[in-house]
Parts: sequence; C-alpha cells; structure tokens
Amino acid sequence: NAGVIQTPRHKVTGKGQEATLWCEPISGHSAVFWYRQTIVQGLEFLTYFRNQAPIDDSGMPKERFSAQMPNQSHSTLKIQSTQPQDSAVYLCASSLDSNSDYTFGSGTRLLVI
Amino acid sequence: GQGVEQPAKLMSVEGTFARVNCTYSTSGFNGLSWYQQREGQAPVFLSYVVLDGLKDSGHFSTFLSRSNGYSYLLLTELQIKDSASYLCAVRSNYNVLYFGSGTKLTVEP
Repeated sequence: NAGVIQTPRHKVTGKGQEATLWCEPISGHSAVFWYRQTIVQGLEFLTYFRNQAPIDDSGMPKERFSAQMPNQSHSTLKIQSTQPQDSAVYLCASSLDSNSDYTFGSGTRLLVI
Repeated sequence: GQGVEQPAKLMSVEGTFARVNCTYSTSGFNGLSWYQQREGQAPVFLSYVVLDGLKDSGHFSTFLSRSNGYSYLLLTELQIKDSASYLCAVRSNYNVLYFGSGTKLTVEP
C-alpha cells in the first residue's frame, strides 16, 4: 500500500500561469478530499468527492479553482491564473468511506512568484 | 461554519505530560479527530471521539465534552520525539473535517 500519492512534490509557477496538481488515492477508498495549508490559515477544506462524484466544493475559491475526479484512481486540482496568495501546501486525503479517518498524501508545495 | 480553536504553542518536559486543548463551535457535529503532523510531513491520524468522556489509548488519550464544545489530547510519558504539531478537527454532518490551526508541542529534555 503506497498510501496517497501526490505529484509533483514541489511546483513553482509564475504569476498568471496555470497549475495542475495530481492525487492518487488509496485503492478502494471511496472518498477524496482536497485541503490547502498555510501558516496563517492552517488547514483549509477545499473540496470533496465520494465515488468520484463532487459532493461539497464550498471551500473552493470559485473563480480560478476547479477539481475533477475522472476515475477512481486519480483526482486533479487546477488553479488558473495563479496568484502569489495561492502559494501553499495542497494536501489530498482519502478515506475508506465517508465515516472513516483520513489518510493524507505528502502534499504539493506550490510557490507562485 | 466550523470554528475550531487551539493554542498555537505548548511546551513540556520529557517524562511528564502535555494536554493539548481544543474548543469548537459548529453548525453540525459528527465527532472530533486528532492528527499529528511533523514538520514537512502529512498529518497522521491519532484518535476519533464522538461520545463524551475520556478515551484512553495508552500514550495518547482523548477527552470530549459535547455540551461545552471542548476536547483535549493528553500525551503521557513524553518523549522528545513527541515534538510535533497536533491538529484538532471537527467532523461535520456531511463528514468533512474542519481543522484548527494546530498546536506546536515542544518537548524539552
């Protein structure tokens, strides 16, 4: 069991560019979550999929952020027109079902310059 | 929304104990979880409680009082390697975890 796999581990983008982050959940886990972590805000919930269907995206900044889960083996978080304030560690987590504890990936550290 | 509050820092001494406090105000409650996070690493699940009282899991124990919106994580027989951040998270009725900002515990010799 390789755990939750996130790629890339680090990404540097220029302001205004697009960034795509990838997450491979643990096989058999039906729930996938995306969070953003900064020193100031801590861990912020972004969005949640269950059995690949979007369930709750209430934490997503609406204009530039989008997330998809095209199949059970991966999810993507896309940020268009990146801004310096988007710099953070983006964490993906999966759980066996909606009532189970989360297993987090190691995160993608995004730096927008 | 979910308001989850934790002190930013806590210091204690090796061989003693540390209590990490967490208070919350929520529009829905489906349990509370604690995670440990080391610098540069992913959060790791420690404990989940949904009923009032103390849940003893050896090195880590967890207390919950739903009427007071309060929980704590108790670490006993502290070791230097327990130095880490401890995150409190409330599970909403829709099973999303809302995290506090974490308490950075430093264990001194």
